Amino acid sequence: KAGVTQTPRYLIKTRGQQVTLSCSPISGHRSVSWYQQTPGQGLQFLFEYFSETQRNKGNFPGRFSGRQFSNSRSEMNVSTLELGDSALYLCASSLDGGGYYNEQFFGPGTRLTVL
Amino acid sequence: QKEVEQNSGPLSVPEGAIASLNCTYSDRVSQSFFWYRQYSGKSPELIMSIYSNGDKEDGRFTAQLNKASQYVSLLIRDSQPSDSATYLCAVALSGGYQKVTFGTGTKLQVIP
Repeated sequence: KAGVTQTPRYLIKTRGQQVTLSCSPISGHRSVSWYQQTPGQGLQFLFEYFSETQRNKGNFPGRFSGRQFSNSRSEMNVSTLELGDSALYLCASSLDGGGYYNEQFFGPGTRLTVL
Repeated sequence: QKEVEQNSGPLSVPEGAIASLNCTYSDRVSQSFFWYRQYSGKSPELIMSIYSNGDKEDGRFTAQLNKASQYVSLLIRDSQPSDSATYLCAVALSGGYQKVTFGTGTKLQVIP
């Protein structure tokens, strides 16, 4: 079974631009979570989607948004990029997300650099 | 108080020794606990999950959970240089949905 895929793998943008990242979960997985990872803050939860609905949201500004499509693929968007948005953005999928035993599996990540 | 706490390390152990990684969490009703391994420049890889008090073994890895004391640990037996990585503890908190909180990780160095 194919793993979680994320595109693009690397991005370089300038301040003020916007960016869209894509995530395709493992086949059959319906929950997709997004995380931001920086050396100083570790893994920070952005949001989680299940059946095209955002169920959980972390403490990030409204510039960070996401959506999920009917095939469970998900995108996240960051508008008006700031230097501090430079990070590794990780997507994780799990089978259901609402149960007791659900494990998350990560994609390779998108490395975003904001200049 | 952080929700999930880990010693950042680095934890240095000689090759062949047992590495012991610890994690404490603050939410008493947490239900699911995970250990991830992350190599430098790579994404986290799930290596163990544990849901009940006690030990769970998988090859050289043993996860230990003590809900009364609110800690979870990972033991790596016969440590190898290839085990050198950052180990992330993750906890699924109460609330019903898949909101997983990660610790900041412990860096493990296995010295040949």
